[in-house]
Amino acid sequence: NAGVTQTPKFRILKIGQSMTLQCTQDMNHNYMYWYRQDPGMGLKLIYYSVGAGITDKGEVPNGYNVSRSTTEDFPLRLELAAPSQTSVYFCASKNVQAWNTEAFFGQGTRLTVV
Amino acid sequence: GDSVTQMEGPVTLSEEAFLTINCTYTATGYPSLFWYVQYPGEGLQLLLKATKADDKGSNKGFEATYRKETTSFHLEKGSVQVSDSAVYFCALSVIQGAQKLVFGQGTRLTINP
Repeated sequence: NAGVTQTPKFRILKIGQSMTLQCTQDMNHNYMYWYRQDPGMGLKLIYYSVGAGITDKGEVPNGYNVSRSTTEDFPLRLELAAPSQTSVYFCASKNVQAWNTEAFFGQGTRLTVV
Repeated sequence: GDSVTQMEGPVTLSEEAFLTINCTYTATGYPSLFWYVQYPGEGLQLLLKATKADDKGSNKGFEATYRKETTSFHLEKGSVQVSDSAVYFCALSVIQGAQKLVFGQGTRLTINP
């Protein structure tokens, strides 16, 4: 059981480039989330999805886009990368049937925009 | 809105010392409370949780009690080990709004032998 898998683990982008961070989960969780973690800060929610075909903005969505065509996959797209998007990105998923249970996190993608 | 405030870090202790990391919260609903731990180079893992007032979550020698009257969920451990060195996040989740987790800023803990 792989859990939540994120790729790549590390990436360096130039300003203005674009990329997609991949996230896949094999636990059949309906709820999926993208967070970013900046140094000395907690995790901030970028986007989330409650099921295939349904996405919504979180706290810090500007500069990002998401899609959810399947239950398993929840890619995060960065268009026109900016230095302010340098961060560690975490994908997470959760069982929709039990609201007080834990979310499972991927190992993160460390992105640097130069 | 919902928020979590954690004790400022970093925290440095000697092995076998007593640990407390303070956490208070503000929530419009009736939240579940969590402590997550992040070891170097890894993602977040659930350490413990509590889902209602006066519940005590425990795991690996760590404990935290859900105190509704003080809106707190402080993390404690009686005798820390070098292997406990990590970043600890307090978080809450409410049933509304897709059960999103709201995190505190994290507390970096270093244990010296």
